[in-house]
Amino acid sequence: GENVEQHPSTLSVQEGDSAVIKCTYSDSASNYFPWYKQELGKRPQLIIDIRSNVGEKKDQRIAVTLNKTAKHFSLHITETQPEDSAVYFCAVDTGTASKLTFGTGTRLQVTL
Amino acid sequence: GAVVSQHPSRVICKSGTSVKIECRSLDFQATTMFWYRQFPKQSLMLMATSNEGSKATYEQGVEKDKFLINHASLTLSTLTVTSAHPEDSSFYICSAKTDRIGSAQYFGPGTRLTVT
Repeated sequence: GENVEQHPSTLSVQEGDSAVIKCTYSDSASNYFPWYKQELGKRPQLIIDIRSNVGEKKDQRIAVTLNKTAKHFSLHITETQPEDSAVYFCAVDTGTASKLTFGTGTRLQVTL
Repeated sequence: GAVVSQHPSRVICKSGTSVKIECRSLDFQATTMFWYRQFPKQSLMLMATSNEGSKATYEQGVEKDKFLINHASLTLSTLTVTSAHPEDSSFYICSAKTDRIGSAQYFGPGTRLTVT
């Protein structure tokens, strides 16, 4: 089955700096890569996603890049704010069973 | 759009009893719903995939007779934890999606189950 690795497990940045979280996957058939943000005790919220026919996607301060050859994708958050503090999960969908395999999560803390 | 509700948000039950959790897609038809379990400070672990009108597909290691899933309509799926034990205490989250391949999954707010 699909194996998704996520790094780092924790990340602390100062307000205004950028944060980058990376994920690698194993199944070359994977075709959909969403990122979720989860605040403590709450539901995961979809923040951005990318499909396999696109190399990069941006939405205001958030961007995702995908390298299909190397089988890795990254989340980039620029001009971080305290409200960006949360746990971020990457996920991979191979499309065959339509189910997501999640990474282990990254706890992002944005300090003042 | 893409709102998923879940009920109850919290439940405490005694060991040996059963608990039912409901997951509803409020503004779209969900051909597929998923049930996850999340322990503190851990990732989401998929328990089963539920398709409307058919039997759920369980992940390896998940007991289908203990975690009963019913997906009776395009907007409702239920998870029943039978004969609950303290080790079943966890955060249970459902998600829903349409039948487009690679479409997003939208999550419910979760149910915190505590078995005493």
